Amino acid sequence: GENVEQHPSTLSVQEGDSAVIKCTYSDSASNYFPWYKQELGKGPQLIIDIRSNVGEKKDQRIAVTLNKTAKHFSLHITETQPEDSAVYFCAVLSGAGSYQLTFGKGTKLSVIP
Amino acid sequence: DSGVTQTPKHLITATGQRVTLRCSPRSGDLSVYWYQQSLDQGLQFLIQYYNGEERAKGNILERFSAQQFPDLHSELNLSSLELGDSALYFCASSVGAEPNTGELFFGEGSRLTVL
Repeated sequence: GENVEQHPSTLSVQEGDSAVIKCTYSDSASNYFPWYKQELGKGPQLIIDIRSNVGEKKDQRIAVTLNKTAKHFSLHITETQPEDSAVYFCAVLSGAGSYQLTFGKGTKLSVIP
Repeated sequence: DSGVTQTPKHLITATGQRVTLRCSPRSGDLSVYWYQQSLDQGLQFLIQYYNGEERAKGNILERFSAQQFPDLHSELNLSSLELGDSALYFCASSVGAEPNTGELFFGEGSRLTVL
């Protein structure tokens, strides 16, 4: 099955700095890569996603880049704010009719005011 | 508020017991997914139902079972509980049959503690 590794497991940044979280996957047929944000006591919430036919996608302060050759994708958050503090999960949907999203183990981001 | 409702929010029980977790999906969503979240394993996919039928199965133990009812709500049954079953159980819903056809909306989870 699909293997998803996420790094780092924890990340602390100063308010206003950028944060980058990286995920690697094993199945070259994977075609859908969402990122979820989980705040304390809540369920994960989709913040951005990218499909395999696109290399980069931006939405205001967040962006995701995909390198299919190297089988990795990254979440970039610019101008971080305290409300960005949360656990972030990457996920991968394998190709060939898979219906199962495989999640990374999460990155706890702390933005220090 | 995601629109996905899970009950109960917290549940404490003993080893060997059986519990039922309930999920009401967002209005209009036909798919329901169940995930287990533990500290060391992250989010593990258990099972998915689409419009009443089982669609995909992940790492779900034989002691666990689920179903989706005609009104589209779903229940996850956990039996012969063990200490290691203590975790957060999330339900998510989406419109389509596949996770990439629409956003997955997660509930706030049911925290199960097995003593």
